[in-house]
Amino acid sequence: QLQLQESGPGLVKASETLSLICTVSGGSISSDTYYWDWIRQPPGKGLEWIGGIYYSGSTYYNPSLKSRVTISVDTSKNQFSLNLSSVTAADTAVHYCVRRGANGHFDYWGQGTLVIVSS
Amino acid sequence: DIQMTQSPSSLSASVGDRVTITCRASQSISSYLNWYQQKPGKAPRLLIYAASSLQSGVPSRFSGSGSRTDFTLTISSLQPEDFATYYCQQSYSILYTFGQGTKLEIK
Repeated sequence: QLQLQESGPGLVKASETLSLICTVSGGSISSDTYYWDWIRQPPGKGLEWIGGIYYSGSTYYNPSLKSRVTISVDTSKNQFSLNLSSVTAADTAVHYCVRRGANGHFDYWGQGTLVIVSS
Repeated sequence: DIQMTQSPSSLSASVGDRVTITCRASQSISSYLNWYQQKPGKAPRLLIYAASSLQSGVPSRFSGSGSRTDFTLTISSLQPEDFATYYCQQSYSILYTFGQGTKLEIK
Protein backbone atom coordinates (compact mmCIF):
# COMPACT_ATOMS: atom_id res chain seq x y z
CA GLN A 1 0.00 0.00 0.00
CA LEU A 2 1.44 3.34 -1.07
CA GLN A 3 2.04 5.82 1.73
CA LEU A 4 3.18 9.44 1.69
CA GLN A 5 4.49 11.23 4.75
CA GLU A 6 5.27 14.93 5.09
CA SER A 7 8.01 16.15 7.40
CA GLY A 8 9.45 19.52 8.29
CA PRO A 9 9.16 22.46 10.70
CA GLY A 10 5.70 23.33 11.93
CA LEU A 11 6.63 26.95 12.57
CA VAL A 12 8.37 29.32 10.17
CA LYS A 13 9.13 33.00 10.64
CA ALA A 14 7.74 35.54 8.23
CA SER A 15 10.05 36.36 5.30
CA GLU A 16 11.89 33.03 5.70
CA THR A 17 11.59 29.82 3.64
CA LEU A 18 9.13 27.02 4.31
CA SER A 19 10.74 23.64 3.60
CA LEU A 20 8.95 20.29 3.59
CA ILE A 21 9.91 16.79 2.52
CA CYS A 22 7.57 14.04 1.40
CA THR A 23 8.75 10.46 1.81
CA VAL A 24 7.06 7.88 -0.39
CA SER A 25 6.89 4.27 0.76
CA GLY A 26 5.26 1.18 -0.68
CA GLY A 27 5.99 2.26 -4.25
CA SER A 28 8.60 3.95 -6.42
CA ILE A 29 8.66 7.66 -7.04
CA SER A 30 10.36 6.82 -10.35
CA SER A 31 7.16 5.43 -11.85
CA ASP A 32 6.56 6.81 -15.33
CA THR A 33 2.81 6.92 -14.71
CA TYR A 34 2.55 9.39 -11.86
CA TYR A 35 3.42 12.88 -10.78
CA TRP A 36 4.12 14.08 -7.27
CA ASP A 37 2.44 17.24 -6.08
CA TRP A 38 1.92 19.60 -3.17
CA ILE A 39 -1.49 20.98 -2.16
CA ARG A 40 -2.22 23.30 0.73
CA GLN A 41 -5.29 24.19 2.77
CA PRO A 42 -5.42 27.26 5.03
CA PRO A 43 -7.27 26.57 8.30
CA GLY A 44 -11.01 26.40 7.67
CA LYS A 45 -10.62 27.07 3.95
CA GLY A 46 -10.43 25.23 0.64
CA LEU A 47 -7.72 23.45 -1.30
CA GLU A 48 -5.02 25.11 -3.42
CA TRP A 49 -2.66 23.28 -5.77
CA ILE A 50 0.91 24.50 -5.28
CA GLY A 51 2.74 22.52 -7.93
CA GLY A 52 4.26 19.18 -8.82
CA ILE A 53 7.16 17.24 -10.24
CA TYR A 54 7.82 14.22 -12.45
CA TYR A 55 10.56 11.77 -11.47
CA SER A 56 12.70 13.12 -14.32
CA GLY A 57 12.68 16.53 -12.65
CA SER A 58 10.11 18.33 -14.82
CA THR A 59 8.17 20.76 -12.66
CA TYR A 60 4.77 22.45 -12.83
CA TYR A 61 3.85 25.38 -10.61
CA ASN A 62 0.78 27.41 -9.78
CA PRO A 63 1.47 30.78 -11.45
CA SER A 64 0.27 32.60 -8.34
CA LEU A 65 3.14 31.05 -6.36
CA LYS A 66 5.67 30.35 -9.08
CA SER A 67 8.08 33.13 -8.15
CA ARG A 68 8.46 31.70 -4.62
CA VAL A 69 8.15 27.92 -5.12
CA THR A 70 10.72 25.26 -5.83
CA ILE A 71 9.85 21.56 -5.95
CA SER A 72 12.61 18.97 -6.30
CA VAL A 73 12.90 15.19 -6.31
CA ASP A 74 15.46 12.75 -4.90
CA THR A 75 14.79 9.39 -6.51
CA SER A 76 17.55 7.70 -4.50
CA LYS A 77 15.66 8.47 -1.29
CA ASN A 78 12.17 8.15 -2.81
CA GLN A 79 11.44 11.69 -1.67
CA PHE A 80 10.32 14.98 -3.10
CA SER A 81 10.42 18.36 -1.45
CA LEU A 82 8.81 21.79 -1.34
CA ASN A 83 10.49 25.12 -0.71
CA LEU A 84 8.37 28.27 -0.46
CA SER A 85 10.34 31.47 0.06
CA SER A 86 9.43 34.83 1.58
CA VAL A 87 6.48 33.44 3.51
CA THR A 88 3.79 35.57 5.12
CA ALA A 89 0.88 34.78 7.42
CA ALA A 90 -1.17 34.03 4.30
CA ASP A 91 1.00 30.95 3.76
CA THR A 92 -0.16 29.38 7.03
CA ALA A 93 -1.82 26.13 5.98
CA VAL A 94 -1.93 22.37 6.17
CA HIS A 95 0.36 21.15 3.43
CA TYR A 96 -0.31 17.82 1.74
CA CYS A 97 1.96 15.81 -0.51
CA VAL A 98 -0.02 13.80 -3.05
CA ARG A 99 0.32 11.45 -5.98
CA ARG A 100 -1.28 12.62 -9.21
CA GLY A 101 -2.44 10.23 -11.88
CA ALA A 102 -2.22 10.85 -15.60
CA ASN A 103 -5.84 11.99 -15.63
CA GLY A 104 -4.93 14.72 -13.14
CA HIS A 105 -6.69 13.24 -10.17
CA PHE A 106 -5.01 13.02 -6.76
CA ASP A 107 -5.35 9.42 -5.59
CA TYR A 108 -2.95 9.15 -2.66
CA TRP A 109 -2.49 11.82 0.02
CA GLY A 110 -0.17 12.27 2.94
CA GLN A 111 -1.78 12.98 6.29
CA GLY A 112 -0.86 16.64 5.99
CA THR A 113 1.32 18.87 8.11
CA LEU A 114 0.34 22.26 9.51
CA VAL A 115 2.87 25.00 8.93
CA ILE A 116 2.28 28.23 10.83
CA VAL A 117 4.02 31.42 9.77
CA SER A 118 4.82 33.63 12.73
CA SER A 119 5.52 37.34 12.57
CA ASP B 1 -7.74 30.06 -14.35
CA ILE B 2 -10.73 27.76 -14.57
CA GLN B 3 -13.14 28.61 -11.76
CA MET B 4 -15.09 25.81 -10.12
CA THR B 5 -18.32 26.67 -8.33
CA GLN B 6 -20.13 24.19 -6.13
CA SER B 7 -23.71 24.34 -4.94
CA PRO B 8 -24.96 24.30 -2.36
CA SER B 9 -22.20 25.45 -0.02
CA SER B 10 -23.85 23.51 2.78
CA LEU B 11 -26.55 20.93 2.98
CA SER B 12 -28.47 19.23 5.77
CA ALA B 13 -29.77 15.74 5.17
CA SER B 14 -30.79 12.58 6.99
CA VAL B 15 -29.44 9.05 6.93
CA GLY B 16 -31.01 7.25 3.99
CA ASP B 17 -31.58 10.41 1.93
CA ARG B 18 -30.49 10.77 -1.67
CA VAL B 19 -28.21 13.77 -2.03
CA THR B 20 -26.90 15.61 -5.07
CA ILE B 21 -24.07 18.15 -5.14
CA THR B 22 -23.43 20.25 -8.22
CA CYS B 23 -20.16 21.60 -9.62
CA ARG B 24 -19.96 24.08 -12.48
CA ALA B 25 -16.82 25.00 -14.42
CA SER B 26 -16.21 28.46 -15.86
CA GLN B 27 -15.36 26.87 -19.21
CA SER B 28 -15.67 23.46 -20.79
CA ILE B 29 -13.45 20.86 -19.11
CA SER B 30 -14.72 17.82 -21.03
CA SER B 31 -14.83 15.03 -18.41
CA TYR B 32 -11.76 16.13 -16.47
CA LEU B 33 -13.61 16.41 -13.19
CA ASN B 34 -12.82 14.68 -9.90
CA TRP B 35 -14.61 14.50 -6.55
CA TYR B 36 -13.14 14.24 -3.05
CA GLN B 37 -14.49 13.71 0.45
CA GLN B 38 -12.81 15.32 3.44
CA LYS B 39 -13.54 14.68 7.10
CA PRO B 40 -12.36 17.05 9.85
CA GLY B 41 -8.64 16.77 10.53
CA LYS B 42 -8.13 14.30 7.68
CA ALA B 43 -6.74 14.46 4.17
CA PRO B 44 -9.19 14.47 1.28
CA ARG B 45 -10.09 11.10 -0.23
CA LEU B 46 -10.63 10.57 -3.95
CA LEU B 47 -14.16 9.32 -4.68
CA ILE B 48 -14.74 9.83 -8.40
CA TYR B 49 -12.35 10.60 -11.25
CA ALA B 50 -12.97 11.45 -14.89
CA ALA B 51 -16.46 12.63 -13.96
CA SER B 52 -18.00 9.19 -13.47
CA SER B 53 -15.35 6.57 -12.66
CA LEU B 54 -15.56 5.19 -9.14
CA GLN B 55 -12.22 5.03 -7.35
CA SER B 56 -11.27 1.59 -6.06
CA GLY B 57 -12.65 0.90 -2.60
CA VAL B 58 -15.32 3.63 -2.73
CA PRO B 59 -18.87 2.41 -2.00
CA SER B 60 -21.18 2.14 -4.98
CA ARG B 61 -23.70 4.54 -3.41
CA PHE B 62 -21.41 7.31 -4.71
CA SER B 63 -21.77 8.20 -8.36
CA GLY B 64 -20.75 11.05 -10.63
CA SER B 65 -22.09 12.40 -13.88
CA GLY B 66 -21.78 15.32 -16.25
CA SER B 67 -19.53 16.76 -18.91
CA ARG B 68 -18.30 20.07 -20.31
CA THR B 69 -19.31 22.58 -17.61
CA ASP B 70 -21.91 20.88 -15.40
CA PHE B 71 -21.30 17.95 -13.08
CA THR B 72 -23.02 16.21 -10.20
CA LEU B 73 -22.02 13.97 -7.33
CA THR B 74 -24.84 11.79 -6.05
CA ILE B 75 -25.00 9.76 -2.86
CA SER B 76 -27.88 7.35 -3.29
CA SER B 77 -28.55 6.57 0.36
CA LEU B 78 -26.67 8.59 2.96
CA GLN B 79 -24.79 6.68 5.61
CA PRO B 80 -23.56 8.16 8.91
CA GLU B 81 -19.97 8.09 7.69
CA ASP B 82 -20.84 10.24 4.64
CA PHE B 83 -21.25 13.45 6.62
CA ALA B 84 -18.21 15.43 5.49
CA THR B 85 -17.12 18.17 3.12
CA TYR B 86 -17.02 17.41 -0.60
CA TYR B 87 -14.81 19.11 -3.18
CA CYS B 88 -14.76 18.99 -6.95
CA GLN B 89 -11.50 19.53 -8.88
CA GLN B 90 -10.83 20.13 -12.55
CA SER B 91 -7.87 18.47 -14.22
CA TYR B 92 -8.42 19.86 -17.72
CA SER B 93 -5.89 22.61 -17.15
CA ILE B 94 -2.49 21.98 -15.54
CA LEU B 95 -3.42 24.82 -13.17
CA TYR B 96 -5.57 22.46 -11.12
CA THR B 97 -8.38 24.18 -9.26
CA PHE B 98 -10.95 23.08 -6.70
CA GLY B 99 -14.46 24.11 -5.88
CA GLN B 100 -15.04 25.89 -2.57
CA GLY B 101 -16.52 22.80 -0.97
CA THR B 102 -19.96 21.56 0.10
CA LYS B 103 -20.42 20.73 3.75
CA LEU B 104 -22.89 17.91 4.26
CA GLU B 105 -24.38 17.94 7.75
CA ILE B 106 -26.78 15.76 9.65
CA LYS B 107 -30.35 17.07 9.82
